Parts: sequence; C-alpha cells; structure tokens
Amino acid sequence: GAVVSQHPSRVICKSGTSVKIECRSLDFQATTMFWYRQFPKKSLMLMATSNEGSKATYEQGVEKDKFLINHASLTLSTLTVTSAHPEDSSFYICSLDRGYGYTFGSGTRLTVV
Amino acid sequence: GIQVEQSPPDLILQEGANSTLRCNFSDSVNNLQWFHQNPWGQLINLFYIPSGTKQNGRLSATTVATERYSLLYISSSQTTDSGVYFCAVVGNQFYFGTGTSLTVIP
Repeated sequence: GAVVSQHPSRVICKSGTSVKIECRSLDFQATTMFWYRQFPKKSLMLMATSNEGSKATYEQGVEKDKFLINHASLTLSTLTVTSAHPEDSSFYICSLDRGYGYTFGSGTRLTVV
Repeated sequence: GIQVEQSPPDLILQEGANSTLRCNFSDSVNNLQWFHQNPWGQLINLFYIPSGTKQNGRLSATTVATERYSLLYISSSQTTDSGVYFCAVVGNQFYFGTGTSLTVIP
C-alpha cells in the first residue's frame, strides 16, 4: 500500500510559537490528503482536506488561521499550528486515499508548554 | 454526517480468548476499514471490507452493508493485540467510529 511519512513524530514547543508538521506520500501522487486530530482516549476527527495547488477545505469549527495547510506538491502536505497554546496539544495524523483504502502517517504528538 | 458506533467501548481478555467487536453505521457507505491503533498511535490497516468476509491470520472481518454493520473477530488473542480498534466508513468523507479499547492480559 501507499507509504505515508509524517514528521516530526513528537514535538514540544512553547506557547506562542508555531510548529510545522510534514506529511509525505512516498510512492503515490496524492492530489488530496487529510489531516486529523485525536484527543486522548478519543476517536479521530477530520480537521481539513488538503488539496494540491488550491486552498484546503476545513471542517466546521476548525480555525483556518490557526491551522494553516499547504499542499504545494503531489507528495507533500504541511500543517502549521500557529501561535500554539496548550489547548492545541494533541495527536495530529495525516492520511491519503489511494482508491482502495486510506493509509495513515505515524502521527505527530504535539505538546505545547 | 454518518454516525459510527462501536461496541464494546472497552474489553479485557485473557490471552488465548476470542472476541468479537462490532461497528454499526447510520447510512449507506462506499467503503469500510478496520484499523488497529498501537500504543504509539500508529494506525495499522487491518481490513478494507465494504462488504463480505475476509480473513487474515487470527483476524477476520465481516461487513453486512445492507444491515449497516461490520464485525471484527479476533481469535486466540495475544498481548500484542492490545490497543484501540477503530472502524471507519466512507460517505462523503472518512468517518471514524468511537473505538474499542482492547487489553489482553497474560
């Protein structure tokens, strides 16, 4: 199946700083990628759909200016958490649909102190 | 959106026991997948199963799309099976279920 590489796997940052998370499709050209957020002991919630060469589509309640998504190439989507606050601490995970199922990155655990 | 409910929410098994996890969904779907999320957060795809039955080693899954449910069977459970099991369905987007947290004790 498609291999999705996500980096970093773990990051700790100070309040007010920005953090960039990268999601790379290693063997598949993905026009669309997806970003999810997972709170402890909870399910995954879709945050946004990343579209190559155009604006991302955000789910209701997700702040576009807080979570900046860039999908500049068919193999790379980035999520930038801007002006991070402790409540942004969470597990973020990306995925893509290869047509016969979704494949997920290994996730990024963000801790804002 | 589509509601995806899983049961039971938590399950503790003795090693070697069998179990059945259930996933109910509220509308017609194009696809259904079962995932295992390990303690490090990695989501491992177990089955892509929009309908029918599939088996992979000690795991098998059955989806009855007309009745809007899917079952995941784990036989002869091992401690490495511990983690959270999610089903997820595709409607107009990918909807995750509520999850079943499985703990297998030696």
